[in-house]
Amino acid sequence: DTEVTQTPKHLVMGMTNKKSLKCEQHMGHRAMYWYKQKAKKPPELMFVYSYEKLSINESVPSRFSPECPNSSLLNLHLHALQPEDSALYLCASSQEYRLDGELFFGEGSRLTVL
Amino acid sequence: AQTVTQSQPEMSVQEAETVTLSCTYDTSESDYYLFWYKQPPSRQMILVIRQEAYKQQNATENRFSVNFQKAAKSFSLKISDSQLGDAAMYFCAPYSGGGADGLTFGKGTHLIIQP
Repeated sequence: DTEVTQTPKHLVMGMTNKKSLKCEQHMGHRAMYWYKQKAKKPPELMFVYSYEKLSINESVPSRFSPECPNSSLLNLHLHALQPEDSALYLCASSQEYRLDGELFFGEGSRLTVL
Repeated sequence: AQTVTQSQPEMSVQEAETVTLSCTYDTSESDYYLFWYKQPPSRQMILVIRQEAYKQQNATENRFSVNFQKAAKSFSLKISDSQLGDAAMYFCAPYSGGGADGLTFGKGTHLIIQP
């Protein structure tokens, strides 16, 4: 199994809503990542979890709250978002953090904030 | 810190022909990895090819090969016998491991395959 599964694929929410994005992998990878990708731009790193502990938070606003309940799951909790937060949110995993950089990506969750 | 430059926002190639996508980067590390990732429209990003900087031999994966020039810090991707399924955004990404924090992607090259 070489898949990273993200749900939902599409999400529309208002600025006062609370929602969550979910990511799951069963490859035994110990590092998981959230990236944000705007249209026609490269992915930008948001968070890194290594062995279920937050390793990197790239100065992301607190309205984005990551959670890693176990080594296979990664959530991104969303609250009080702004329209400029509309983007494709990509989850990725790697065998280890800071090993060789090879990432396995999910298909992404496309978020629209009204 | 690493920087990466992809100077071709868009490239177009006829089906079955060869195309080369360019990438230059800057790093102070002596040992690192280089990646090309492919992102088809509305599909997940996948690894196309990787190169370890300590290896002099250029990496190849079927129709995909790289021209790695370490001194020039250049890492171009050659796609031979282009197919319609090769149409995608292609991102170059250096990675130095150790103290580096995740991949830094170039701005990408949009590859169009003309039938």
